[in-house]
Amino acid sequence: GDSVTQMEGPVTLSEEAFLTINCTYTATGYPSLFWYVQYPGEGLQLLLKATKADDKGSNKGFEATYRKETTSFHLEKGSVQVSDSAVYFCALVNTGNQFYFGTGTSLTVIP
Amino acid sequence: EPEVTQTPSHQVTQMGQEVILRCVPISNHLYFYWYRQILGQKVEFLVSFYNNEISEKSEIFDDQFSVERPDGSNFTLKIRSTKLEDSAMYFCASSRDRGNGKNIQYFGAGTRLSVL
Repeated sequence: GDSVTQMEGPVTLSEEAFLTINCTYTATGYPSLFWYVQYPGEGLQLLLKATKADDKGSNKGFEATYRKETTSFHLEKGSVQVSDSAVYFCALVNTGNQFYFGTGTSLTVIP
Repeated sequence: EPEVTQTPSHQVTQMGQEVILRCVPISNHLYFYWYRQILGQKVEFLVSFYNNEISEKSEIFDDQFSVERPDGSNFTLKIRSTKLEDSAMYFCASSRDRGNGKNIQYFGAGTRLSVL
């Protein structure tokens, strides 16, 4: 069945460091891929998405490219800020409405 | 910006008791969902709801679970007789659209259910 495997956390970085959070997926056909972020005390917020191979989703300095050949959707940011501290979830949705999430990666950015 | 709201933020209950988790979806959305996340595990789909009936459900969503939209704004998840393993964070979500797997679901902050 469809599934998402996400890099284990927690991740701790210094401000302005480069961030990569790995995400790979297993799915039949052509799923859409998402990154959601959860700030403390808040809901899951859509960060970015990509709906077909080679699409790049981007938002707030974060980027992820849909790589069908490696079944990956890694999240990157060139220079993290303290305000980026949150839990990041990779997810996919296929032909139905059911989202499949990874376990989440907790990011802490220290000044 | 419109948001999905969930209450309570934390619910503590005794094993065997019934609990109702409440959600107010975004007002013009038509599709509603419940997910749960057991501590340290993945967020798992439970059920989707449209036009006053369940449209999809997972194998987790057994007879002890039920969902309801009792009025025009609330969407509830009822667990009839809670078990220890029901302890988890429960997320409600809603979306305006459906189809082709490209709809965006908007999530609430979650209700943490602790079964003692």
